Amino acid sequence: SQTIHQWPATLVQPVGSPLSLECTVEGTSNPNLYWYRQAAGRGLQLLFYSIGIDQISSEVPQNLSASRPQDRQFILSSKKLLLSDSGFYLCAWRRGRDTGELFFGEGSRLTVL
Amino acid sequence: GENVEQHPSTLSVQEGDSAVIKCTYSDSASNYFPWYKQELGKGPQLIIDIRSNVGEKKDQRIAVTLNKTAKHFSLHITETQPEDSAVYFCAASIGGSARQLTFGSGTQLTVLP
Repeated sequence: SQTIHQWPATLVQPVGSPLSLECTVEGTSNPNLYWYRQAAGRGLQLLFYSIGIDQISSEVPQNLSASRPQDRQFILSSKKLLLSDSGFYLCAWRRGRDTGELFFGEGSRLTVL
Repeated sequence: GENVEQHPSTLSVQEGDSAVIKCTYSDSASNYFPWYKQELGKGPQLIIDIRSNVGEKKDQRIAVTLNKTAKHFSLHITETQPEDSAVYFCAASIGGSARQLTFGSGTQLTVLP
């Protein structure tokens, strides 16, 4: 069966420090991968999606970047965190074409102080 | 772009009663409407979805209705149980594409024993 892992689960970082959140998917190949941000009281906002290795599309301009160095690994990064980067970050995957059910990881809560 | 409004933001019901969550969307081209349930500390999970070629879909105690003319869709949970307590998100997209999937702001459902 397919599983998705995200880490770390929680992270407290000072303003201006770097960020690296990692997501891996097991049990499938060539998944579409997504990074979402969930702000308190708001819906899920798509940040990045990837249809293959080194193929990243950004949905919103921001202080973050994403990379996909391997088929089932998706990394969310920042060189210098801002206070506004605080939030709950979710990685998700889906099979093949960009349709159908999204499978989410358990999320990473980032607090920037 | 698409705009999805979700109401209410919080909902408390007695165990055994029904719960209804409503969403409206703005883009008449949207034709795929999933509902996700997010339990505390976890990522969202798909519970039911509907496509615009049907008006209603049921899965045990959960049902979704769609009114294309009015551009709104609703989630109905009957005989609520404490384990139904969670945040529920509606979403809308064209063709099921995650790149065009717009989420509502979520409803915190609390089932009181």
